Amino acid sequence: EDKVVQSPLSLVVHEGDTVTLNCSYEVTNFRSLLWYKQEKKAPTFLFMLTSSGIEKKSGRLSSILDKKELFSILNITATQTGDSAVYLCAVLFSGGYQKVTFGIGTKLQVIP
Amino acid sequence: NAGVTQTPKFRVLKTGQSMTLLCAQDMNHEYMYWYRQDPGMGLRLIHYSVGEGTTAKGEVPDGYNVSRLKKQNFLLGLESAAPSQTSVYFCASRLGTANSYEQYFGPGTRLTVT
Repeated sequence: EDKVVQSPLSLVVHEGDTVTLNCSYEVTNFRSLLWYKQEKKAPTFLFMLTSSGIEKKSGRLSSILDKKELFSILNITATQTGDSAVYLCAVLFSGGYQKVTFGIGTKLQVIP
Repeated sequence: NAGVTQTPKFRVLKTGQSMTLLCAQDMNHEYMYWYRQDPGMGLRLIHYSVGEGTTAKGEVPDGYNVSRLKKQNFLLGLESAAPSQTSVYFCASRLGTANSYEQYFGPGTRLTVT
């Protein structure tokens, strides 16, 4: 059975802290790993990772994939209250139908 | 450019009633998806479509039907609603070309079945 597991499930940090969110997967026909941020409503896309060891970066957020150990991390440096959200990891499968399976998410709360 | 829109935003149904959720996108995307999101379960794929006139089952299709008669619209139907279908429903779309994996999500529909 395909699995996408995120940890921790929730996290409370102070503004300015650095956090690392984890996503591990056990799937057949892996194509890419995706990170989304979900605030009150719809998830918004952060990163797509397909190759091992290549860091993707956007401002204070960065992410990397390890296809040998089957995991990815999402780092947020100098956290701000606006980073408070649920962070979702998802795996995109190869094959004709391009299925996507999501993890449960990590709820991050940044307090002033 | 409205992106992905969903109608309605909220709905309360009684067990056994039927309804249709509408998803519309104005980005000319080929692929469209319906997910449900429940506490502790993450987003689960109900049905998806890879083009006008095509639909396919996802992880949790039972109790739902879909149609994609027009490229821009993807309808999700509940024929006989059950309390287990109480959830937040998200529609998403993406372009469908080789490197366009980003899914654009609608704002969600909160459905309660009593």
